[in-house]
Amino acid sequence: AQSVTQPDIHITVSEGASLELRCNYSYGATPYLFWYVQSPGQGLQLLLKYFSGDTLVQGIKGFEAEFKRSQSSFNLRKPSVHWSDAAEYFCHYGSSNTGKLIFGQGTTLQVKP
Amino acid sequence: GAGVSQSPSNKVTEKGKDVELRCDPISGHTALYWYRQSLGQGLEFLIYFQGNSAPDKSGLPSDRFSAERTGGSVSTLTIQRTQQEDSAVYLCASSLGPGVAGANVLTFGAGSRLTVL
Repeated sequence: AQSVTQPDIHITVSEGASLELRCNYSYGATPYLFWYVQSPGQGLQLLLKYFSGDTLVQGIKGFEAEFKRSQSSFNLRKPSVHWSDAAEYFCHYGSSNTGKLIFGQGTTLQVKP
Repeated sequence: GAGVSQSPSNKVTEKGKDVELRCDPISGHTALYWYRQSLGQGLEFLIYFQGNSAPDKSGLPSDRFSAERTGGSVSTLTIQRTQQEDSAVYLCASSLGPGVAGANVLTFGAGSRLTVL
């Protein structure tokens, strides 16, 4: 069965430090991959997406993610974290064959001043 | 409409009562999804509608849960004989659907927060 795994439930980083949130997936077809962010009391917002082509994709708010087929990963990165980045982050997978879209369990990011 | 609209935004009900949650997707979006987000939990897939095809109900947790989508637009999620463990935020999302450029990008509604006493 298709699945998405975010191994880190909770991450704390200092403001200004770099960030990497991990996402691994299992799939049977060409994946569409996404990262969404949910700030406290807010709805879910798309950060970035990968459909095909360049495996390094840029998103909003200075985030980027790299698709690595050999590792079945789509990790989210940011070189310098801001306090406003504290939120919950969801990795998201979609198959090109079906519309069924699957979320990872989410990673809660805390930012220390 | 301009976005995905969900109602009610908040619902408090007593255990054993039935509830209906409504979702009005973005006009032209053929795919519609329901997810459930419980406190401290991730996003749990419930059901997926694509056009006029039979829905993918594989995520519905029990037969107390059902959903329909009338006319390929508005969807209603019904929970019968609610239990306390049904308390959660129910999120609806819509997209252009598979096979379309830019498809599978979800636009979420603000959610319906259900509290079962």
